[in-house]
Amino acid sequence: AQKITQTQPGMFVQEKEAVTLDCTYDTSDPSYGLFWYKQPSSGEMIFLIYQGSYDQQNATEGRYSLNFQKARKSANLVISASQLGDSAMYFCAMREGWNTGNQFYFGTGTSLTVIP
Amino acid sequence: DSGVTQTPKHLITATGQRVTLRCSPRSGDLSVYWYQQSLDQGLQFLIQYYNGEERAKGNILERFSAQQFPDLHSELNLSSLELGDSALYFCASSASSGQGDYEQYFGPGTRLTVT
Repeated sequence: AQKITQTQPGMFVQEKEAVTLDCTYDTSDPSYGLFWYKQPSSGEMIFLIYQGSYDQQNATEGRYSLNFQKARKSANLVISASQLGDSAMYFCAMREGWNTGNQFYFGTGTSLTVIP
Repeated sequence: DSGVTQTPKHLITATGQRVTLRCSPRSGDLSVYWYQQSLDQGLQFLIQYYNGEERAKGNILERFSAQQFPDLHSELNLSSLELGDSALYFCASSASSGQGDYEQYFGPGTRLTVT
């Protein structure tokens, strides 16, 4: 089974609108971390937001928020007020194995295009 | 600019050859991670070092090896190269030992092309 699943290969959003990028994960480890990264066409990977498995509240970082639904094993990224510069690939990732040594898993990514 | 540097930026080599990719972490970061991003396999975690010691191992082939030096820079050695090794290799660094969660700061990557 895939550890991280991103089911939306491509998404379009109108500038200034909000968009949700889906991510589901699979782990039996009670302690894990969830991350979202942005990869613009230039290629660099940019950290956006992090959610720990024990965190009670959904993480927020500026226009980014993570909709963490633990029972459903989902960690969707919400981008509010989309900007043209948000056009990029977005990757969801998970770290598991707190005590036994970290393992990191990435999804296949979602390509987001912001339309003016 | 993340503060993580990687050299070289591009590398073109032939099958069967050996190459070394270099990474300098952000100042003060003790952990270094290596990732491979290819079109067919996506982004794969290879290996993590913390303060000179191997901390975690992912999908790293036996033909690949890495180390972290006392000055905390890291090198990824790829040998007996195959066409399928062509990929973008990222290095990332973080402040944590890995027992806690934290941001990882990625370098710009080294694009390896094996011909």
